[in-house]
Amino acid sequence: EPEVTQTPSHQVTQMGQEVILRCVPISNHLYFYWYRQILGQKVEFLVSFYNNEISEKSEIFDDQFSVERPDGSNFTLKIRSTKLEDSAMYFCASSHRAYTGELFFGEGSRLTVL
Amino acid sequence: DQQVKQNSPSLSVQEGRISILNCDYTNSMFDYFLWYKKYPAEGPTFLISISSIKDKNEDGRFTVFLNKSAKHLSLHIVPSQPGDSAVYFCAALDNAGNMLTFGGGTRLMVKP
Repeated sequence: EPEVTQTPSHQVTQMGQEVILRCVPISNHLYFYWYRQILGQKVEFLVSFYNNEISEKSEIFDDQFSVERPDGSNFTLKIRSTKLEDSAMYFCASSHRAYTGELFFGEGSRLTVL
Repeated sequence: DQQVKQNSPSLSVQEGRISILNCDYTNSMFDYFLWYKKYPAEGPTFLISISSIKDKNEDGRFTVFLNKSAKHLSLHIVPSQPGDSAVYFCAALDNAGNMLTFGGGTRLMVKP
């Protein structure tokens, strides 16, 4: 069964460092997303991406965040200068249709900022 | 932000009995609702959904009920199985966007 894969599974970084989280969405999907879950809190939407551009973003997704689809398979989330409060589980997801809500999530990348 | 709320952080039921997970929402613009299941160390997995034009959707052991006037939905699992033990998230989608709003989750434990 096709799946969304994410790397790394866990990254520890120092505050102020840049971090790139990588995702390989399901190959025939066209819509890509990043969500995050801070420990003990809700899963929160960060950004959606379609046709090589951001289609929607939340207030969390400020100038420190960026997304890119550098080639035909990878979808990345970059945090330019990490803060302690960026520590969370980051989930990548993809879907083949928009406005469906039926997303396929990866296993997540745990980011720990020290 | 409490647009989608799951008031029970945990629920324990006996194998073979019914599990009922509840969810409330406040945003009238939500028109599509979903339940996701999450096992430890895995991402959320889509389980079942319901459009706001319906009041019930059934898929095998899983049924979702929607009461629009009360802004309430529930997930029924019957019969419950130990493999159903997981965290269940309610989520909602509004008619303007492509963004899921999640509840806080309910941890279901099904005892053999």
